[in-house]
Amino acid sequence: RKEVEQDPGPFNVPEGATVAFNCTYSNSASQSFFWYRQDCRKEPKLLMSVYSSGNEDGRFTAQLNRASQYISLLIRDSKLSDSATYLCVVNQGASGSARQLTFGSGTQLTVLP
Amino acid sequence: GAVVSQHPSWVICKSGTSVKIECRSLDFQATTMFWYRQFPKQSLMLMATSNEGSKATYEQGVEKDKFLINHASLTLSTLTVTSAHPEDSSFYICSANRQLNTEAFFGQGTRLTVV
Repeated sequence: RKEVEQDPGPFNVPEGATVAFNCTYSNSASQSFFWYRQDCRKEPKLLMSVYSSGNEDGRFTAQLNRASQYISLLIRDSKLSDSATYLCVVNQGASGSARQLTFGSGTQLTVLP
Repeated sequence: GAVVSQHPSWVICKSGTSVKIECRSLDFQATTMFWYRQFPKQSLMLMATSNEGSKATYEQGVEKDKFLINHASLTLSTLTVTSAHPEDSSFYICSANRQLNTEAFFGQGTRLTVV
């Protein structure tokens, strides 16, 4: 089993649609969780951190379920500029150790006009 | 603006030659930096952890003699791909954190093509 698994995608949605991505992780000791966005041939950039209570940033909502080891990202009113690959990222570093991020394979989103 | 700068952004080299990639933290000191490799349509795979002043820690399956890492200062880590082969062609990315358990900042990546 992969340490971080994501919906394979690709997701092709019309502008204005709502789309949800899911992610599961295998290490129950994982410390922190993120969604990164990666545009083609570019480096990943942080979209948002994921907190236990769930958090929202504009059209983006992230949720974490530690019991099920499950993370989600919801994008509402999708825009053409949202087209990218979304990476679920889990930090499995223990306190005092070097930070190590484990990346999901990414879910490709294309928002169509 | 960028907080981690990587150079060069792309490079083409001949088989058998060596290529050095630099990763700099611009406004913070990074005792640890990370090097990743990403093949087309695949996720980032951690290659090694670069530790300032000590030897790098390599992930399983990554040849330390082929991918030389030097972290001689708190703001610079270098990855040298030695005796490059076409199968080493990939997107190499470095990252660093300002503090523990905080956001990772990535360099712009280096697209290496070995011909």
